[in-house]
Amino acid sequence: ETGVTQSPTHLIKTRGQQVTLRCSSQSGHNTVSWYQQALGQGPQFIFQYYREEENGRGNFPPRFSGLQFPNYSSELNVNALELDDSALYLCASSFRQGNTEAFFGQGTRLTVV
Amino acid sequence: DAKTTQPPSMDCAEGRAANLPCNHSTISGNEYVYWYRQIHSQGPQYIIHGLKNNETNEMASLIITEDRKSSTLILPHATLRDTAVYYCIVRALPTGTASKLTFGTGTRLQVTL
Repeated sequence: ETGVTQSPTHLIKTRGQQVTLRCSSQSGHNTVSWYQQALGQGPQFIFQYYREEENGRGNFPPRFSGLQFPNYSSELNVNALELDDSALYLCASSFRQGNTEAFFGQGTRLTVV
Repeated sequence: DAKTTQPPSMDCAEGRAANLPCNHSTISGNEYVYWYRQIHSQGPQYIIHGLKNNETNEMASLIITEDRKSSTLILPHATLRDTAVYYCIVRALPTGTASKLTFGTGTRLQVTL
């Protein structure tokens, strides 16, 4: 139990639709990152949020966007869903700097049909 | 962050030590070695990290070579519950942040009876 919770756990969407995934960070953590994990691959960094602003982005198009709220919860939004967006989406929270570890949620399994 | 190389898979008998190698020959002086693991269908879990000294915690030991170009994660008495994909990650501090991690494909450890 990491204290990071994600919702929903599973989701099926149709190509072209939009989806919002949610993450509640571990208490006290001020940084949240989102990852996409395709089947058989390691997680790929999408972006990170610190103090409600994007603070680093991986190689993902602008249709992937996010929000971080004052209580450090976070959302990942994906517009114009494509079949290749089918993956496990992971949220990780941590303190921004320092020699610390990241705590991951259990993920949301998104299937695009 | 420096690139890491790990064997794609390893087997270990239950009760024996599991030694998982990682090569990070381009590691810089300010980069730490982190290990995470991912049990099937769960989010990654932090195991241990180190800079240049060997480290031990309740889960594992981390042995880093003197030139820091490679390391070994040791699970002293592997159990079936240790079956997972193990990721070796190199991360710079303090510019890097704990939840921005570059995952490779990892080593799939299978612990057998």
